[in-house]
Formats: sequence, structure tokens, C-alpha cells
Amino acid sequence: GAGVSQSPSNKVTEKGKDVELRCDPISGHTALYWYRQSLGQGLEFLIYFQGNSAPDKSGLPSDRFSAERTGGSVSTLTIQRTQQEDSAVYLCASSLLRDTATTNYGYTFGSGTRLTVV
Amino acid sequence: GESVGLHLPTLSVQEGDNSIINCAYSNSASDYFIWYKQESGKGPQFIIDIRSNMDKRQGQRVTVLLNKTVKHLSLQIAATQPGDSAVYFCAESYYGQNFVFGPGTRLSVLP
Repeated sequence: GAGVSQSPSNKVTEKGKDVELRCDPISGHTALYWYRQSLGQGLEFLIYFQGNSAPDKSGLPSDRFSAERTGGSVSTLTIQRTQQEDSAVYLCASSLLRDTATTNYGYTFGSGTRLTVV
Repeated sequence: GESVGLHLPTLSVQEGDNSIINCAYSNSASDYFIWYKQESGKGPQFIIDIRSNMDKRQGQRVTVLLNKTVKHLSLQIAATQPGDSAVYFCAESYYGQNFVFGPGTRLSVLP
């Protein structure tokens, strides 16, 4: 697609339930990132996928959080047994692997999924 | 490290004035920098980038300045307009991967 697509755009869930957030990166982008943004705050890194390499999970806040990326494209972020402090906007971004021919290899972000845990 | 749990500083400017948003980065080895703009309810969007072999880069109404000596980045917006109201993030990287984002600054344009 033309941009990074995230679904759903909004999700309200009850405390203790599991949720799945989906990210469709730009076709051909080998790198995919998940960030969390709490209200009025900055970007908190969660996890990074690069090609077939093992993902960098160093930002995941607890073992209730996991993510996978199938076929080097679509990614799913799963939060198990959601807590109220998980309420935030979850942003996905993708990028090309840097090469000398690329003038802009920054991230392209999706619009995010706003998760509210009640 | 990554930006976590910080309340955003706010910069208020009068419409038509110039805005300067500052950012301190952490890694002296970073060689590529980007400024992002995030409007309410949207994901961050690329504004302008600069490589470490440059001190200044200009776009349309925006200029980015890089001072590697003190690890400082700034974004200048000329003739600030109401549509410039947003949160602005700087991001640093080495070799264009795994960007580290600053805490963000909220720009508020006053009529």
C-alpha cells in the first residue's frame, strides 16, 4: 500500500482481556518498529524487526507483550491480560534498509491504534 | 536510551513569528537525524533530515541546524502558522537504523 496501515484505529477492552494490534508496513520495507505513546508523552520503543534477523525485543515492558512478523510483512502486537496502564496509542513504523541510493530512509509511521483498557 | 514517560515541554509563539525548537541528542556516533511533526490523532510525519557531514539544511519554511560539538539539533520554522501547531520530535540514528527519539516539544501558535 501507499502507507503504513494499522488496525483497528481504536480499541476498547476490559481489563484482563487479550488484544491484538495489526500493522501492514509499506511494501518492500524490511524494517518494522512498534512504539507506544501515552497521552501527552513521547515515543517509547517496544520492538524492532529487521528482515530475517531475530527481533530486538529490548523495549517490551513485560512478558505480557509479544509481537511477531509473518513473511517479512504484516506484524501483530499482542498484549495479554491487559492492564489499565497499557492504555496508550500504539504506533507502527516501517523503513527501508539504508543504502547509498536512498535519500530519505527515515520511518514512515501509521496513524496508530488507540487502546483503552477499562 | 528511548524517550519514556516524559511530559512534553511547550513552546508558544505568535503567528507570523519564527519558531526555534531545540533537541539534545545522546550518541556522538549518530550520523543521520530527522525532525518529525505529529498532529493530534496522527502518527509522526517526516519534516526534514540532515546528515552528520552537514551543519545546516533548508526546506520550505524550515531549517535544521546541527552542532556535532555539543550534540545539539534545532528546527527553525519561519513565519509560523496555525497549521504548524503540533508536537515535534527529533530522532537520531547511526546508519539510518533504529532511530532514538527525543522527548518531543509541543508547539502552540497563538493568533
